[in-house]
Amino acid sequence: DQQVKQNSPSLSVQEGRISILNCDYTNSMFDYFLWYKKYPAEGPTFLISISSIKDKNEDGRFTVFLNKSAKHLSLHIVPSQPGDSAVYFCAASDDNFNKFYFGSGTKLNVKP
Amino acid sequence: NAGVTQTPKFRILKIGQSMTLQCAQDMNHNYMYWYRQDPGMGLKLIYYSVGAGITDKGEVPNGYNVSRSTTEDFPLRLELAAPSQTSVYFCASSSGLAGSISSYNEQFFGPGTRLTVL
Repeated sequence: DQQVKQNSPSLSVQEGRISILNCDYTNSMFDYFLWYKKYPAEGPTFLISISSIKDKNEDGRFTVFLNKSAKHLSLHIVPSQPGDSAVYFCAASDDNFNKFYFGSGTKLNVKP
Repeated sequence: NAGVTQTPKFRILKIGQSMTLQCAQDMNHNYMYWYRQDPGMGLKLIYYSVGAGITDKGEVPNGYNVSRSTTEDFPLRLELAAPSQTSVYFCASSSGLAGSISSYNEQFFGPGTRLTVL
């Protein structure tokens, strides 16, 4: 039973436009949410995170929005660049940081 | 600073063989994790450790064992390999602290080990 879901396996966006990646979770005990980016044949790398006490966190071109009542978070990338083409995973944890639950990933393709 | 290193990069095992996947980190992180990623799926937690001598099961621990005798190393042992264990294995580490407002306990991942069991 997946506790973190990314329902869009892929997304294609034109360079310069906005990319919106979505993630849903079921466990109301999750307090921390993270986004990772993964290139082929590499391990995931951390991108941005948000705590459940906030509804928005911004870092350069990347913004994560959290809607706790809907148990939904999204990652916005503006403007999208070809180098952003990768698989994006969302992950969630409680405040013990013992266990992280990952979504199945969304493959983003940014077209030049 | 090498970060998280994993060996080997690739391995093919026969059914019933055993092997150990090595993982080491040089960031003095207390928390270490083992994940597996099957095709088209997310990462599933196998085992984790919150410090030397302390380990616990994740979501999918069956068929695996771990040990943590030092802060740096966290090997994953596969006994009696089965085709269902064909996967890419990632090791990760983190400080285990809340961290800064923009970085809540991010995990640092190794490059992965691609294992095939035939």
